[in-house]
Amino acid sequence: GAVVSQHPSRVICKSGTSVKIECRSLDFQATTMFWYRQFPKQSLMLMATSNEGSKATYEQGVEKDKFLINHASLTLSTLTVTSAHPEDSSFYICSARDPGGEVTEAFFGQGTRLTVV
Amino acid sequence: GQNIDQPTEMTATEGAIVQINCTYQTSGFNGLFWYQQHAGEAPTFLSYNVLDGLEEKGRFSSFLSRSKGYSYLLLKELQMKDSASYLCAAIDSNYQLIWGAGTKLIIKP
Repeated sequence: GAVVSQHPSRVICKSGTSVKIECRSLDFQATTMFWYRQFPKQSLMLMATSNEGSKATYEQGVEKDKFLINHASLTLSTLTVTSAHPEDSSFYICSARDPGGEVTEAFFGQGTRLTVV
Repeated sequence: GQNIDQPTEMTATEGAIVQINCTYQTSGFNGLFWYQQHAGEAPTFLSYNVLDGLEEKGRFSSFLSRSKGYSYLLLKELQMKDSASYLCAAIDSNYQLIWGAGTKLIIKP
């Protein structure tokens, strides 16, 4: 099946710094990618929908100036957590669907465990 | 509003069968997914149902009743490696995924 690659898998950063997470679709072109956040023992929470060549659509309560999303190409979307704080520590996951295929599954990246110290 | 309900936790015995239920209320419906998620890892796809009935795939089967807004995931011949969280997600009319909170399945020897 299609593959989505997410990098890095783990990152530790200091408070106040910024962290960039990359999400790549390896064998299909994804016009839309989704960014999720998952806190321990909780479900996936959609943060934003990333659209190639246009601005991302953020869910209510998600600060767009803090979580910068760039979808500059059909195979790459990036999420930058700016001025990170310990409460931003979480598991971040991207997903994408192959628009040329049927709606059979959303392909997930491996996830990024962010720890802000 | 849109809502997905599934049990928080279930316990089963190795070699046995377990059924994880999921009920959903969404604005429109374009199918339902089941995912498996081990701790600290991304979800992995198990099944997709859009028509009523049972879909069987090896030890795992998934059932859907659109009229009842109900699905279940059936796991047979349980193995210790099946210990994980199982996430139910419905697709609404805008093709957005609405996620359940997940069911933590504990397998005991």
